[in-house]
Amino acid sequence: GAVVSQHPSWVICKSGTSVKIECRSLDFQATTMFWYRQFPKQSLMLMATSNEGSKATYEQGVEKDKFLINHASLTLSTLTVTSAHPEDSSFYICSVHGGPHRTDTQYFGPGTRLTVL
Amino acid sequence: GESVGLHLPTLSVQEGDNSIINCAYSNSASDYFIWYKQESGKGPQFIIDIRSNMDKRQGQRVTVLLNKTVKHLSLQIAATQPGDSAVYFCAEGFSGGYNKLIFGAGTRLAVHP
Repeated sequence: GAVVSQHPSWVICKSGTSVKIECRSLDFQATTMFWYRQFPKQSLMLMATSNEGSKATYEQGVEKDKFLINHASLTLSTLTVTSAHPEDSSFYICSVHGGPHRTDTQYFGPGTRLTVL
Repeated sequence: GESVGLHLPTLSVQEGDNSIINCAYSNSASDYFIWYKQESGKGPQFIIDIRSNMDKRQGQRVTVLLNKTVKHLSLQIAATQPGDSAVYFCAEGFSGGYNKLIFGAGTRLAVHP
């Protein structure tokens, strides 16, 4: 499947600051990427669909002004958590739709652990 | 105290036994289904998938069964090994739904030597 990386793997920040998380598709040009959030012992919750060259599509209840998504190239999508607060602490995971050998599934990155103090 | 719903159901098996993990999906229009394995602190790893026009698909040591009548999916792992210990999620997708996936709650598989 597609090889997906995320950076950073973990980040600790102070309340009120902004944090940017990068998601890279290393072996596949992805027109669509997805961003998920996962709280401890819970399932993955889709936040938004990131479309290359256009605006992201956000799921109901996800604030687009707080979670800024940019998909400027076929290999990079970024999620910026603006004015982060402790309740934003979570595991953020991106995925790529498709891959070099498959076109109909999602492959996930390793995740980014965000802790807001 | 802890809230209901924050405890993942756990399946405990002995090493070498077969494991069966079940999942109920919600959308009768879903036309593909995927099983993912997630180890602690890592992203989900693709295991196997199945299309709605099939009822069984086999991989290496894994088999997925689909029962569309009752909207049920299962993952069978043969000769379970300690390295299989993880949380397993089923996900359903709809080809006409912008490729979005809906994830199930997850099941923790604990393999004991």
